[in-house]
Amino acid sequence: ETGVTQSPTHLIKTRGQQVTLRCSSQSGHNTVSWYQQALGQGPQFIFQYYREEENGRGNFPPRFSGLQFPNYSSELNVNALELDDSALYLCASSPSSGILHNEQFFGPGTRLTVL
Amino acid sequence: AQTVTQSQPEMSVQEAETVTLSCTYDTSESDYYLFWYKQPPSRQMILVIRQEAYKQQNATENRFSVNFQKAAKSFSLKISDSQLGDAAMYFCAYRVGFSGYALNFGKGTSLLVTP
Repeated sequence: ETGVTQSPTHLIKTRGQQVTLRCSSQSGHNTVSWYQQALGQGPQFIFQYYREEENGRGNFPPRFSGLQFPNYSSELNVNALELDDSALYLCASSPSSGILHNEQFFGPGTRLTVL
Repeated sequence: AQTVTQSQPEMSVQEAETVTLSCTYDTSESDYYLFWYKQPPSRQMILVIRQEAYKQQNATENRFSVNFQKAAKSFSLKISDSQLGDAAMYFCAYRVGFSGYALNFGKGTSLLVTP
């Protein structure tokens, strides 16, 4: 079941730039969540998408935005990058029904460094 | 706001021995889920075990078991017969039953397993 992939693996950007991170969920997983994990910290919830609509958001500014597509892929976009955006970004997908619908399956993450 | 506290930044255990990782949480909800995730150096978050708050029986998964004390809001993880492959960051996480799939994570405990 753990077939969530993310790209790229690593990324280096400079302050003020924009970045797009990508996630590919398993077929049938129509809920995707994004998390930011700063060094030495636990993941922090950014937002969640269900059937291509945002249906939950953590304490992150609007320059963090997302998209979810019908083919179970999704994007996290961050505008006007700041140094504090340097972190590991994790996506996690879930099926909406069935025995596993209460579980989240995580991808390996994208390491973003902002200089 | 719900918070998850892991008071042990680091723990060490010898191979074949037993170790317990602590987690406390704060919530006013009655319906929620608790999870332990493992994050090895490969960064991929792996679900270790989960507990539904309405279940009194403690969850077990092979060598992993929990001690769930609902009144005390405590959710500790016991790893029996520790193996070198158990070395990783362990995160305790909480999710309200009907708020989608957003997880609140603790800061993690780094587990070192020595031969």
